[in-house]
Amino acid sequence: HSALTQPASVSGSPGQSITISCTGTSSDVGGNHHVCWYQQHPGKAPKLMIYDVSNRPSGVSNRFSGSKSGNTASLTISGLQAEDEADYYCSAYTSTTTGVFGTGTKVTVL
Amino acid sequence: EVQLLESGGALVQPGGSLRLSCVASGFPFSSYAMSWVRQTPGHGLEWVSATSASGQTTYYADSVKGRFTISRDNSKNTLYLQMNSLRADDTAIYFCAKDFEGWLVVVFDYWGQGSLVTVSS
Repeated sequence: HSALTQPASVSGSPGQSITISCTGTSSDVGGNHHVCWYQQHPGKAPKLMIYDVSNRPSGVSNRFSGSKSGNTASLTISGLQAEDEADYYCSAYTSTTTGVFGTGTKVTVL
Repeated sequence: EVQLLESGGALVQPGGSLRLSCVASGFPFSSYAMSWVRQTPGHGLEWVSATSASGQTTYYADSVKGRFTISRDNSKNTLYLQMNSLRADDTAIYFCAKDFEGWLVVVFDYWGQGSLVTVSS
């Protein structure tokens, strides 16, 4: 499975909303509900922000939301804050019982 | 508090071998699948391998199949990754990650801090 496709960078001003896309195929993103989003700050381990397309783990701000349509998943960050500046990765379970991550998106808060 | 602590990363020559370990605490280790995920410095994440909760089922990315072996010792709460025939493109930070279920679903709710493996002559 090839890496899922994400935009290299997305930016927004504080308070704005941004959306990051994650495009795969019917064998991964489109084929099951195990689609996740991770936030990674420099030098740190990834942190789970969204699981199973649209669920937030305990402790994750409700400013983060996820959705999916066909083979494309999306992460929306509302009320953008300086602390949201990080790299974001999507992931999916695949039909061949493997995992695949997205190419990653750098979010910049202007 | 869930903790995952990797060790074993090192500088190794091409063609060499290395074994990574990940000691887990703070959750019932034997109830959850575990994975190894790697990240090339400055680049993205790549899922490498996983093992079911019991260790009876293992999964591998095509890029490491036949060279890497994942295993676990539930009595020691420890996950392993045996890496053989290492290549320069295996150079990365290797993270261990806890899955959400007892089988692979690729939902990683906890991650270690990573262990650096450098393959170079």
